Amino acid sequence: TQLLEQSPQFLSIQEGENLTVYCNSSSVFSSLQWYRQEPGEGPVLLVTVVTGGEVKKLKRLTFQFGDARKDSSLHITAAQTGDTGLYLCAGGFQKLVFGTGTRLLVSP
Amino acid sequence: GAVVSQHPSRVICKSGTSVKIECRSLDFQATTMFWYRQFPKQSLMLMATSNEGSKATYEQGVEKDKFLINHASLTLSTLTVTSAHPEDSSFYICSAGMRIAKNIQYFGAGTRLSVL
Repeated sequence: TQLLEQSPQFLSIQEGENLTVYCNSSSVFSSLQWYRQEPGEGPVLLVTVVTGGEVKKLKRLTFQFGDARKDSSLHITAAQTGDTGLYLCAGGFQKLVFGTGTRLLVSP
Repeated sequence: GAVVSQHPSRVICKSGTSVKIECRSLDFQATTMFWYRQFPKQSLMLMATSNEGSKATYEQGVEKDKFLINHASLTLSTLTVTSAHPEDSSFYICSAGMRIAKNIQYFGAGTRLSVL
C-alpha cells in the first residue's frame, strides 16, 4: 500500500514568515500533485510535478520533487492570510493516494 | 479549466432515509469518476472508483450496498447513501478524470451530509 506522510500536521505562523511542508513516501510515484483545500470546499490543484528533481514555482509557492520521486516539498515565501488552508499532496496514476495533510494557519 | 459540479452542497436528512449526491463534469467527458469521504480535519479517503457504463470498484472496508454508485454517462456519476445513519455524516467529495490525463483529477466542491 502506498502511503504519503506529510509534515508538519499543523502549522501556525504570522504573515510574512516562510514555511516548508514535506510529503514523504517509501514508494516511488510517477508524479505528485499538491492541492489546497479550504473549509467546506473541494481540493484545488496547485501543481503537478513529474520529473525527479523538478522544481516548479507558482508566485510565492515553490514545489520540488525529490530525485528518487519518493518525496516532495512545498515552500511558501512571505506567507499571507489567504494562504490559510489544508495542503494535500497526492500521488498515483488515475487512482490517487492522498497525503495525511498539513493544516496551515496564517495570522495577520 | 475543467469544471466539476457537485450537488447538493449540503443536505440534512433523517436516519433511515436515502440521499443521492450528483457529480457532473460540465465541460469535459469524464471516463472515470471518484468518490471520497473526508472526516473533520483529516485527509481524503477514497471510497470507490467508477467508470462509465461499468460497475464501481470499491475500496476495502466500503460497503457497496450502503454506498450505491452509478456512472450512467460520461458526464454524470451519482452516489446514493442508503438507509443513512448518523455515523454516515461526513463530507463527501467527487472528482473526475479524463482519458488523456489520467494522473489529474478535477474535484467537486463537496457535499456536507448530516444525518439526524
